Amino acid sequence: NAGVTQTPKFQVLKTGQSMTLQCAQDMNHNSMYWYRQDPGMGLRLIYYSASEGTTDKGEVPNGYNVSRLNKREFSLRLESAAPSQTSVYFCASSDLVAFGAFFGQGTRLTVV
Amino acid sequence: RKEVEQDPGPFNVPEGATVAFNCTYSNSASQSFFWYRQDCRKEPKLLMSVYSSGNEDGRFTAQLNRASQYISLLIRDSKLSDSATYLCVVTKNGNAGKSTFGDGTTLTVKP
Repeated sequence: NAGVTQTPKFQVLKTGQSMTLQCAQDMNHNSMYWYRQDPGMGLRLIYYSASEGTTDKGEVPNGYNVSRLNKREFSLRLESAAPSQTSVYFCASSDLVAFGAFFGQGTRLTVV
Repeated sequence: RKEVEQDPGPFNVPEGATVAFNCTYSNSASQSFFWYRQDCRKEPKLLMSVYSSGNEDGRFTAQLNRASQYISLLIRDSKLSDSATYLCVVTKNGNAGKSTFGDGTTLTVKP
């Protein structure tokens, strides 16, 4: 059972480049999330999708866009990468909020 | 003041010790509470949900105090493998997008 799968695991971008982080879950969960985690800090929500067809901004959405492609897949796009976006990005999914979320293994992104 | 606050530690304890972490939250509308465990350079993993009545899973006990707005995690008989960062998560009103993570408490269990 794969759970939540993120690709790529590592990426180095130059300032101004764009890229899309991919996330897929096989648990038939309704809700999916993108978080970023900076050193010594907790996770901060970038965007989330409460159900297929809906997306909403989280705490730190600036510089990012998302697409909920179908129930399984939720992608995060950086249109013009900036050094401040250097971080570890986690995708997560959940069924009911009360049951907690399951996370992918993360994408370590460095913008130089 | 942060919405969710944790003592960052580090907590350094010997094997077999009992250790407790607290987490305070500021929004009284919070409804769901969780503890996650995060190993170095890994993803967070759900450790346990926290219920009003308290709940126990083996050596781990979680408590919720709504009046004082804090949750706690107690680990008994600590193992080396318990070394990790423990994240407190609070969710408001059952809203998928309203989960706030604490910055985490680091635990190191030593032989």
